[in-house]
Amino acid sequence: GAGVSQSPSNKVTEKGKDVELRCDPISGHTALYWYRQSLGQGLEFLIYFQGNSAPDKSGLPSDRFSAERTGGSVSTLTIQRTQQEDSAVYLCASSSPGLGNTGELFFGEGSRLTVL
Amino acid sequence: DQQVKQNSPSLSVQEGRISILNCDYTNSMFDYFLWYKKYPAEGPTFLISISSIKDKNEDGRFTVFLNKSAKHLSLHIVPSQPGDSAVYFCAASGTSYDKVIFGPGTSLSVIP
Repeated sequence: GAGVSQSPSNKVTEKGKDVELRCDPISGHTALYWYRQSLGQGLEFLIYFQGNSAPDKSGLPSDRFSAERTGGSVSTLTIQRTQQEDSAVYLCASSSPGLGNTGELFFGEGSRLTVL
Repeated sequence: DQQVKQNSPSLSVQEGRISILNCDYTNSMFDYFLWYKKYPAEGPTFLISISSIKDKNEDGRFTVFLNKSAKHLSLHIVPSQPGDSAVYFCAASGTSYDKVIFGPGTSLSVIP
């Protein structure tokens, strides 16, 4: 499809296991974001990739979290040694920023992570 | 340190009336402001935006007002409809190349 695609849509894991969440952005979008939304909370910024620039990792909550973006397209968010507080919906968004462009973000439907 | 604030977690409005959702920000470097709407189990969708060179932007029933000196913006929905019931997020960035920071959201309920 033409939209942002995320997988898996739901993931249940045991505490201490590693998980990988995948995001396929809209083709041609140079910017890619990861956010998370914990229950009853807002959208927490995690990491931002823009073109070939070094990613902005300032929102990653701990060193258990990492993300890659290969070939300027698909991104994987990895959470190592998951904890119960990692349970949340992880949202990916992409955009095509430019001069005179507000850089509207297009979101996927999210990956719901539950850590038991 | 929350750079984008939405101090009302929830708002209830009668159908046909005006809904006013407020947003405050602390970073004077923000130049672009956006509103997103989110239904349960879906990703947020873009509603309307405004750049700092304007103080108003209108799109159908939705109008965003920006008061840069007060670091305040608001989203007006007129007339409100039951289908507008959703969580509304205010967001801001420095330029279109900067990361976008979201507020905590306001849950709007439009009562038929």
